[in-house]
Amino acid sequence: NAGVTQTPKFQVLKTGQSMTLQCAQDMNHNSMYWYRQDPGMGLRLIYYSASEGTTDKGEVPNGYNVSRLNKREFSLRLESAAPSQTSVYFCATGELFFGEGSRLTVL
Amino acid sequence: DAKTTQPPSMDCAEGRAANLPCNHSTISGNEYVYWYRQIHSQGPQYIIHGLKNNETNEMASLIITEDRKSSTLILPHATLRDTAVYYCIVRVGHSGGSNYKLTFGKGTLLTVNP
Repeated sequence: NAGVTQTPKFQVLKTGQSMTLQCAQDMNHNSMYWYRQDPGMGLRLIYYSASEGTTDKGEVPNGYNVSRLNKREFSLRLESAAPSQTSVYFCATGELFFGEGSRLTVL
Repeated sequence: DAKTTQPPSMDCAEGRAANLPCNHSTISGNEYVYWYRQIHSQGPQYIIHGLKNNETNEMASLIITEDRKSSTLILPHATLRDTAVYYCIVRVGHSGGSNYKLTFGKGTLLTVNP
């Protein structure tokens, strides 16, 4: 999807390891979001940022931290990964544009 | 944001119209109806949105009932590539860059058959 770039696209972690998912947008949108999607489930909101410098919890924030570095970038950090965090993570911006997803497996 | 109810799955023959219903009986006056779809393993894709009037774009038509408690997404000539999960969402605000979060349910899996 043009305009929203997520990295990495795939990642395998061991339990307890930490990592950061990066999201960058070039559409000058104020709002950015992180969702997770588990098999057979809809998307669930983890955190969102209404504007640069602000972040708020979504539906499932436990185990995650976020950082809105600037207007373009919104990162999601797992400090101590758990197998329950195995999922596909989607970044979205301005509610209308989603990235291609980051597939995370925690062993 | 108001909650929505959609059937878990639907089938449609290729070339025929696909009509996907959505119930949003608790919608507020300032809430819009949005539709997205997600093709397997890809990020969700915006389709269309509306407030109270019917809307049409190059992808689909959106029919909203007069009382706004339900809506129907119409794909006029479904193709195999339209097989996807379709999400109906209601929320305040309608322009990209606004400060409103989305809540997705499980959606409707539309399967277009040859």
